[in-house]
Amino acid sequence: DAGVTQSPTHLIKTRGQQVTLRCSPISGHKSVSWYQQVLGQGPQFIFQYYEKEERGRGNFPDRFSARQFPNYSSELNVNALLLGDSALYLCASSLGQGASNQPQHFGDGTRLSIL
Amino acid sequence: GIQVEQSPPDLILQEGANSTLRCNFSDSVNNLQWFHQNPWGQLINLFYIPSGTKQNGRLSATTVATERYSLLYISSSQTTDSGVYFCAVMYAGSYQLTFGKGTKLSVIP
Repeated sequence: DAGVTQSPTHLIKTRGQQVTLRCSPISGHKSVSWYQQVLGQGPQFIFQYYEKEERGRGNFPDRFSARQFPNYSSELNVNALLLGDSALYLCASSLGQGASNQPQHFGDGTRLSIL
Repeated sequence: GIQVEQSPPDLILQEGANSTLRCNFSDSVNNLQWFHQNPWGQLINLFYIPSGTKQNGRLSATTVATERYSLLYISSSQTTDSGVYFCAVMYAGSYQLTFGKGTKLSVIP
């Protein structure tokens, strides 16, 4: 079975632009989470979605938004990009809403560079 | 929020040596995972271990939930074990994994 897939793998943008990152969860998984990992740190939680609804949000500005589609895939959007948004963006999926007692499985990430 | 501390922050091993990585957490959890992030950035699941002991080849992990710590053992280390090892936890009712700062492991031939 395919794991969590993310696209694109790499992306270069300039300050002020907008970006959309995509994630397809493992087949059968209904929950998708997004994390940001800046160089030298552990991943930081951005959003969790389940059944197309936002279930949790980390400490990120409103420039960050996301959505989940009926097929459980998800998009992360970032507006008005800043240099500090340069990071590896990771998507994780898990089986259901009760994510706290289920393992999360991560994709390979999208590496976003802001010039 | 919940705090996760990993030690040591850096570790250099000769190939074939054994090592123990530690993860302390500040509150009760019902999800604890160990990950290996390779030099290409891939975050690989090693163990889902909110309590008890598991083994997978040269790797094993033990979580003592009542004392709020977990240990990852690597035996007969290989150069391919190099990378950063993260511990991440989630408490009941939470939606987010909280990661430690990681242990950077370098295995030299």
